Amino acid sequence: EDQVTQSPEALRLQEGESSSLNCSYTVSGLRGLFWYRQDPGKGPEFLFTLYSAGEEKEKERLKATLTKKESFLHITAPKPEDSATYLCAVQAPGGYQKVTFGTGTKLQVIP
Amino acid sequence: NAGVTQTPKFQVLKTGQSMTLQCAQDMNHNSMYWYRQDPGMGLRLIYYSASEGTTDKGEVPNGYNVSRLNKREFSLRLESAAPSQTSVYFCASTPGTSGLFSNQPQHFGDGTRLSIL
Repeated sequence: EDQVTQSPEALRLQEGESSSLNCSYTVSGLRGLFWYRQDPGKGPEFLFTLYSAGEEKEKERLKATLTKKESFLHITAPKPEDSATYLCAVQAPGGYQKVTFGTGTKLQVIP
Repeated sequence: NAGVTQTPKFQVLKTGQSMTLQCAQDMNHNSMYWYRQDPGMGLRLIYYSASEGTTDKGEVPNGYNVSRLNKREFSLRLESAAPSQTSVYFCASTPGTSGLFSNQPQHFGDGTRLSIL
């Protein structure tokens, strides 16, 4: 069974304090790993797709990396507007190429 | 550029009542999905439609039905609501190709918050 585990569940940072969120996964034949941002009362908003180990993608203060067992979302010098829940999801081949979501990391950035 | 639009945003039902959640996308996407999101659990797929005219069960389909009305619209129906169906429901879409999710990110609506008393 495909599994996605995100840690920590919650993270509180001071503005400018860099850190990383972790997404560990077990899936046979990864077709893609997705990172989403979800603000309160909103739907998930797509950030990145990673396809193979060693791949990295960046967007503003965020950088996502991928290994064969886990992905990291690095947040450099975060600002209060980066506060959100960050979701990780993996896609594997199958009857309908099922996407499995993690439960998310709730990030709070304090001014 | 609306993307994925869900209606209503909030709804309170009594046990046994029925209702339909509406979803429409304006991105000309082929594939559409319904998820539920519960505290402490990841998004779980209820039903999906790989292309217009097709629908299939996801991970948690019991108690739900869907209709892919046309390429734009995908509705979710609760025939006899139960308290266990209290949740936030999200509709999503991907460009997709027939029969496949493809490895493309999903575009989500802002959800319907449903409470069943």
